[in-house]
Amino acid sequence: GEDVEQSLFLSVREGDSSVINCTYTDSSSTYLYWYKQEPGAGLQLLTYIFSNMDMKQDQRLTVLLNKKDKHLSLRIADTQTGDSAIYFCAESMNDYKLSFGAGTTVTVRA
Amino acid sequence: GAGVSQSPSNKVTEKGKDVELRCDPISGHTALYWYRQRLGQGLEFLIYFQGNSAPDKSGLPSDRFSAERTGESVSTLTIQRTQQEDSAVYLCASSPLQGGSGNTIYFGEGSWLTVV
Repeated sequence: GEDVEQSLFLSVREGDSSVINCTYTDSSSTYLYWYKQEPGAGLQLLTYIFSNMDMKQDQRLTVLLNKKDKHLSLRIADTQTGDSAIYFCAESMNDYKLSFGAGTTVTVRA
Repeated sequence: GAGVSQSPSNKVTEKGKDVELRCDPISGHTALYWYRQRLGQGLEFLIYFQGNSAPDKSGLPSDRFSAERTGESVSTLTIQRTQQEDSAVYLCASSPLQGGSGNTIYFGEGSWLTVV
């Protein structure tokens, strides 16, 4: 089964906040990542968090990590049409091999 | 080049034929990865190269799949006797040091393979 699970779709109104959720199974994960994939493009690293942190903020992005529940979330403030994309959660189980979720397709509506 | 370059960007092949997918990593990046992304699914790890170390081939799905890397430069992923279930986007990525550990892994735009 999947090591990393995400909801598949999210629809949000422009200007609202988006919250994308992810659960993972490997408690020994050291880093957790959020990647963005726009149509026809490769994956772009948005942000990552070390497993001993609870929160990381980077401009409009806020990552929250609940290590006890193995739950990771990405909040995008003031969502814009350019934020429409597929967002992938990933965990690193060792120093190089990343395990990805199936991706959450975010659609921003006017 | 400025980013990870993959070719071809699109490939349609007949079932049973062999295909080669090429990846040019970012210059100076010692680590190189291949992932496969099937429609509507997450990325599956295929293989990892790090410098002169033996590659981690644990993700290759069958012996029809193989990959080579010349030093710290170009890599080729070969799929022999292609099957329809091989249809996917094959993504290559590179990183300057060992990946994970917060080191940024840069992805190419992928090679879209369709087996008919």
